[in-house]
Amino acid sequence: DIQMTQSPSTLSASVGDRVTITCRASQSVDYWLAWYQQPPGEAPRVLIYNASTLESGVPSRFSGRRSGTEFTLTISSVQPDDVATYYCQQYSTYFAYTFGQGTKLEIK
Amino acid sequence: QVQLVQSAAELRKPGASVTVSCKTFGYTFANYGVSWVRQAPGQGLQWLGWISGYNGNTNYAQKLKGRITVTRDTSTRTVHLELRSLTSDDTAIYYCARDQGVAAPLRYWGQGTLVTVSS
Repeated sequence: DIQMTQSPSTLSASVGDRVTITCRASQSVDYWLAWYQQPPGEAPRVLIYNASTLESGVPSRFSGRRSGTEFTLTISSVQPDDVATYYCQQYSTYFAYTFGQGTKLEIK
Repeated sequence: QVQLVQSAAELRKPGASVTVSCKTFGYTFANYGVSWVRQAPGQGLQWLGWISGYNGNTNYAQKLKGRITVTRDTSTRTVHLELRSLTSDDTAIYYCARDQGVAAPLRYWGQGTLVTVSS
């Protein structure tokens, strides 16, 4: 099974800060990786898919990059609405998904 | 528009079974599959299994094989998750989520169903 290792587990940032979350795959997933945002008490929603494609309606301050088996999600200027837990997910294996452990973003 | 509406919360004793349902709306049911994902209290997301809307083929997480069955009813556009031999570790919010085909993320999610396992 493909394992996804996400870091950090928690992140504390001030409004306007630039933050980066990292996700490493245990083997190649090509660019079949998505980032999800889960606000407290809500279901997850897709932010980024195919490693770097912004989902329709998602603010442009979110961006994704891939370097081999390492993926990053960057928020260029954190806003209060961004308080949530963020997950990476690989979907390279045929309808068998793996999520990272999650990164909880808090505002200072 | 696409909607997934899940059944109400459930309370079960250890050793029992539970079935959670997910009724779908707003798309051609046979064109897409549905996954089940759960989230234990204060924990992350765990993918459990998937069923094809087209032919009912399934794929399950290795850790749950033998305890999980996912089925579909095409006449009611509903997907069911059955989990057997429950323990307290199965206490979680269970989500259904629709795929967008092969090699695509889970774009549409149900509202979640809380399953509590307690004696």
